[in-house]
Amino acid sequence: DTGVSQDPRHKITKRGQNVTFRCDPISEHNRLYWYRQTLGQGPEFLTYFQNEAQLEKSRLLSDRFSAERPKGSFSTLEIQRTEQGDSAMYLCASSVKGPDTQYFGPGTRLTVL
Amino acid sequence: GQQLNQSPQSMFIQEGEDVSMNCTSSSIFNTWLWYKQDPGEGPVLLIALYKAGELTSNGRLTAQFGITRKDSFLNISASIPSDVGIYFCAETSGTYKYIFGTGTRLKVLA
Repeated sequence: DTGVSQDPRHKITKRGQNVTFRCDPISEHNRLYWYRQTLGQGPEFLTYFQNEAQLEKSRLLSDRFSAERPKGSFSTLEIQRTEQGDSAMYLCASSVKGPDTQYFGPGTRLTVL
Repeated sequence: GQQLNQSPQSMFIQEGEDVSMNCTSSSIFNTWLWYKQDPGEGPVLLIALYKAGELTSNGRLTAQFGITRKDSFLNISASIPSDVGIYFCAETSGTYKYIFGTGTRLKVLA
């Protein structure tokens, strides 16, 4: 399968714990995006990478959130000191040109107890 | 966060019927996209629109970029059971940040 992959698909954690999600984009795609989707809503933009550079961050990405793409390939999204409000689906997407050609991964569903 | 208004929020239709849904914004945008999302999966791009008035088809799907650049329509002809899902519009003013609509949930009755 050459699509965008995300790991894990599901994560249950207790409030206050740290979690890290991984996204592997399509191999030739140099652009990578993270979104958050809560139940009944559309995806909300979190951050964007071009190669290893993080070029844009949403105000939704609080200080507890950090994203990296160290070698311009896979990316990680870490949430520190999780809160119940962090419960959501975290989607990753990648593209080779602009965001209108982005392909989404299956997402990581986070549940914070 | 900011989102677009989609209508209807949900709809039940009979298999074989045509479906129409729309998306509106208070701002002018340069690009409209339509996505479909199945349960537990990420959205899949259906149609992209780049110019006011543009009408684009993808199989049984047809979408139009409104003349005012503040709205877009998606039509599905002769619906089938696999059309079930959530349809999202998304738009951008040219940056990397896309704004998604609230979604239209479609259920097809066989």
